[in-house]
Amino acid sequence: DGGITQSPKYLFRKEGQNVTLSCEQNLNHDAMYWYRQDPGQGLRLIYYSQIVNDFQKGDIAEGYSVSREKKESFPLTVTSAQKNPTAFYLCASRGRLPLSIGEQFFGPGTRLTVL
Amino acid sequence: GIQVEQSPPDLILQEGANSTLRCNFSDSVNNLQWFHQNPWGQLINLFYIPSGTKQNGRLSATTVATERYSLLYISSSQTTDSGVYFCAVEPGNQFYFGTGTSLTVIP
Repeated sequence: DGGITQSPKYLFRKEGQNVTLSCEQNLNHDAMYWYRQDPGQGLRLIYYSQIVNDFQKGDIAEGYSVSREKKESFPLTVTSAQKNPTAFYLCASRGRLPLSIGEQFFGPGTRLTVL
Repeated sequence: GIQVEQSPPDLILQEGANSTLRCNFSDSVNNLQWFHQNPWGQLINLFYIPSGTKQNGRLSATTVATERYSLLYISSSQTTDSGVYFCAVEPGNQFYFGTGTSLTVIP
């Protein structure tokens, strides 16, 4: 089946530890995105990547890092510098830029809780 | 940055009723999407609608880009329609989300 997978579904970590969230897609999409959602809020963009080996900061990139070594994969690392990392993290992908057309498709999300 | 406002923030409907959800945005956009977030957090694509009108079953959407708003219509609502509805707009290279409309459909 074509789609976007995120793992793990739930993640618990101690304060001060770095954690890496996985996002994989087999839709042959060029662009991939990471969003954060807090309770009762909309989604806010953390990072996005339009092509392999290139990525751009979104509005709330501080305390996060990403890599894009393969077209299919866009892992997100939540570092100890992120002040309030407990949130729901969603990964998305879409077709070919830079024409800026096409809809985004989302993975099922990862719920991160920092204790 | 662009502002995206959704109204109403909360909506409670009796099963079978109709509703209209609104999304206003403060600047011109290239793209607009409507999503339904189910209770498990999954975002489900409803419409990709930069302009014009589309229909899909009991749902339809209209975007008037020149006036900077979009409407989502839900007819004959069902309990499975419950959840949060988001609009997302793209003025450049990234989407900006509204804070959503939380819909509860009661039997």
